[in-house]
Amino acid sequence: KAGVTQTPRYLIKTRGQQVTLSCSPISGHRSVSWYQQTPGQGLQFLFEYFSETQRNKGNFPGRFSGRQFSNSRSEMNVSTLELGDSALYLCASKLGVRGNTEAFFGQGTRLTVV
Amino acid sequence: GNSVTQMEGPVTLSEEAFLTINCTYTATGYPSLFWYVQYPGEGLQLLLKATKADDKGSNKGFEATYRKETTSFHLEKGSVQVSDSAVYFCALSPQNTGANSKLTFGKGITLSVRP
Repeated sequence: KAGVTQTPRYLIKTRGQQVTLSCSPISGHRSVSWYQQTPGQGLQFLFEYFSETQRNKGNFPGRFSGRQFSNSRSEMNVSTLELGDSALYLCASKLGVRGNTEAFFGQGTRLTVV
Repeated sequence: GNSVTQMEGPVTLSEEAFLTINCTYTATGYPSLFWYVQYPGEGLQLLLKATKADDKGSNKGFEATYRKETTSFHLEKGSVQVSDSAVYFCALSPQNTGANSKLTFGKGITLSVRP
């Protein structure tokens, strides 16, 4: 069974640009969550989608947005990039939305803003 | 709100040494508890989990017991190997209501094992 696939693995963008990251969950998983990992702030929750609906959103500015498609694939978008957006962005998929369900993570997309 | 506190790192051990990584949490009710491991350049891998009080999660020689009375979920391994060198994260997910299942992570601790 294929794992969670995130593309691209690495990105370099300039301040002010926008970027779109993609996540394909494990087959059959309908919940997709996104997390930002930085050395200073650690792992922070961005948002969670289930059946194309955003269920939860973390404390991030409106420049961060996402969506989920009918095949459960998800994208997140960051507009007007800032240097502080440089981070590893991790996607996690789950079978459902229950709290005791295991989350499986992709390898992440390393975004560098210059 | 929910929070997870991990002991300060990094931790350096010799091969075959005993490992303990402390983790305590703050949450209402009975959250699910997890340990994730991150190898260099990789995403997170689930190491083990426990979903109710006194549950013991175990995997690859690692163990952790859900202690409600001390709100702790300490990770232990009897004999570490060089291949265990990685960053370890303790995490919780709220009580099984389905309303908010986001993971709250500790800051992580880097483990280095010397041959």
